[in-house]
Amino acid sequence: DADVTQTPRNRITKTGKRIMLECSQTKGHDRMYWYRQDPGLGLRLIYYSFDVKDINKGEISDGYSVSRQAQAKFSLSLESAIPNQTALYFCATSEGSGRGAYEQYFGPGTRLTVT
Amino acid sequence: SQQGEEDPQALSIQEGENATMNCSYKTSINNLQWYRQNSGRGLVHLILIRSNEREKHSGRLRVTLDTSKKSSSLLITASRAADTASYFCATDRTGGKLIFGQGTELSVKP
Repeated sequence: DADVTQTPRNRITKTGKRIMLECSQTKGHDRMYWYRQDPGLGLRLIYYSFDVKDINKGEISDGYSVSRQAQAKFSLSLESAIPNQTALYFCATSEGSGRGAYEQYFGPGTRLTVT
Repeated sequence: SQQGEEDPQALSIQEGENATMNCSYKTSINNLQWYRQNSGRGLVHLILIRSNEREKHSGRLRVTLDTSKKSSSLLITASRAADTASYFCATDRTGGKLIFGQGTELSVKP
């Protein structure tokens, strides 16, 4: 079984709908991240969490919210989806202590289309 | 804003040739990491080089880091068709999070 799983893998939704993307991990990592990927723009950080009680905004958090339900679960919500949120979304996890960044393990991604 | 800028954006070579990708960044870093992404899939970590290291090897991969020039390079030797992918550098400035570049798309022709 994969260490980092994302559901759903593909989703088409309409403008204005609320949608939740889910991420689960079995690696036992404290740190979890949500990124979006757009063609030619690499990955941009939306939110990150260093433990269940520590959640932080990334570069592009507007229009998104997150919930860290447990160490193993980190969900991303789009409260009212808009077409420019059409993208590939990745969840990632890493070990962590202190201030440094560690190797990240990525899920397979969720392809979201907002019409 | 993106921290890493990769060059070239796209690279096409023949199997057996070496591939070199470069990454430049703007501010001081704790470490720099390289990742590979096969089309539409999750990224896979390749190598991490710390700011006090100059060179690191892993199999056919060689990464160099020049902190005075704020740049890094990834060399893949004796490339194979299976190396076809996008390659991203990511920098750790502070706070334990990574900033990714836009990536280099490598195509290795058999």
